[in-house]
Amino acid sequence: DVKVTQSSRYLVKRTGEKVFLECVQDMDHENMFWYRQDPGLGLRLIYFSYDVKMKEKGDIPEGYSVSREKKERFSLILESASTNQTSMYLCASSFPVGGPEAFFGQGTRLTVV
Amino acid sequence: LAKTTQPISMDSYEGQEVNITCSHNNIATNDYITWYQQFPSQGPRFIIQGYKTKVTNEVASLFIPADRKSSTLSLPRVSLSDTAVYYCLVGGRGNTDKLIFGTGTRLQVFP
Repeated sequence: DVKVTQSSRYLVKRTGEKVFLECVQDMDHENMFWYRQDPGLGLRLIYFSYDVKMKEKGDIPEGYSVSREKKERFSLILESASTNQTSMYLCASSFPVGGPEAFFGQGTRLTVV
Repeated sequence: LAKTTQPISMDSYEGQEVNITCSHNNIATNDYITWYQQFPSQGPRFIIQGYKTKVTNEVASLFIPADRKSSTLSLPRVSLSDTAVYYCLVGGRGNTDKLIFGTGTRLQVFP
């Protein structure tokens, strides 16, 4: 069964902390994505990776960075967490060929206090 | 990537057929149309994908007219469990294609 696993379901961090959100997929997918979801705003793409060590900015990359050292793992990093980064974070993966069918993790609800 | 426009919300009753239309006027030749479903506190789930005409699976049907500038997701005989947000995406199958979601359509099914 296809699986995308995010390291935490709920996370509470303090303003200014460095935060790591981890995502692992077991489907050998080349493409991986990080989104944030806020009420009324849908899913917004933060970063996208189409191969190991390759990344592209999405619509809202400011305040975030990513790391893809291994094919199965894609990490989202909040360099200095701020309260406006309180959100639901969703990771996804997909094959590059075969249509934009992505598989999502269960999400991490991050609260920055 | 082509931008999509969907209604913000729709209401229906159990047993009815629901049609959600998505506009994508600047769809490119190699773009596919994909629909996702999202329940509260879960990630989106793939429902159906098509390129032209009609596609049907066990969950839904997707109707795409000849000009491909719009598409309609059809959910037959909805139940309460179909209450969710539905997203329409347009994009190609290239390895550098980002998946850009809009705000989706919130479907509420009533008893």
